[in-house]
Amino acid sequence: GESVGLHLPTLSVQEGDNSIINCAYSNSASDYFIWYKQESGKGPQFIIDIRSNMDKRQGQRVTVLLNKTVKHLSLQIAATQPGDSAVYFCAEILPGGFSGGYNKLIFGAGTRLAVHP
Amino acid sequence: NAGVTQTPKFQVLKTGQSMTLQCAQDMNHNSMYWYRQDPGMGLRLIYYSASEGTTDKGEVPNGYNVSRLNKREFSLRLESAAPSQTSVYFCASRDVPRQYFGAGTRLSVL
Repeated sequence: GESVGLHLPTLSVQEGDNSIINCAYSNSASDYFIWYKQESGKGPQFIIDIRSNMDKRQGQRVTVLLNKTVKHLSLQIAATQPGDSAVYFCAEILPGGFSGGYNKLIFGAGTRLAVHP
Repeated sequence: NAGVTQTPKFQVLKTGQSMTLQCAQDMNHNSMYWYRQDPGMGLRLIYYSASEGTTDKGEVPNGYNVSRLNKREFSLRLESAAPSQTSVYFCASRDVPRQYFGAGTRLSVL
């Protein structure tokens, strides 16, 4: 069921509108960030990533913005569709997280996106 | 290409029972991970395996054991289940730096 989504902030949008989902990360030295999408009853699915030496990266209908000054990430979804309804969460890789086997990936709790027709 | 496969999808246990959660990946990744996900919280790392033959503790290892059976398979064992272990468990494998997740096992301990 939906136990994963309980107590999460919810963003409600109309189909066709643009969505902006925000995330505050914890470590100013983190050097890599990922956005995941998690649909009901499924595992997290990779959407887009960005390195700390970038401010913006675009994918198909999605854009990630990184503001290192305030430790803030945002995910923008253009022309939101019903299939975009899910929980979205960001993850940061701590310094040294590329070495060895421990990815040192820290996950946020997530935001639920509800798309209404 | 199945990616990361977890079994079972659902399980109900009584306090004190034991069980093993299975995970297999077909992407030839070296690193594999076990997480738990609780309502309103982010994924928390239980154990990981950097490569075949090695395992290490993550943030919340108490009450769990793991086995990296071969490069493909990484299992998580609860020796004596407790209600606090009611959660959704995810296995992941890594293609640096991204992690790819299975569909999860929903475990209830009564």
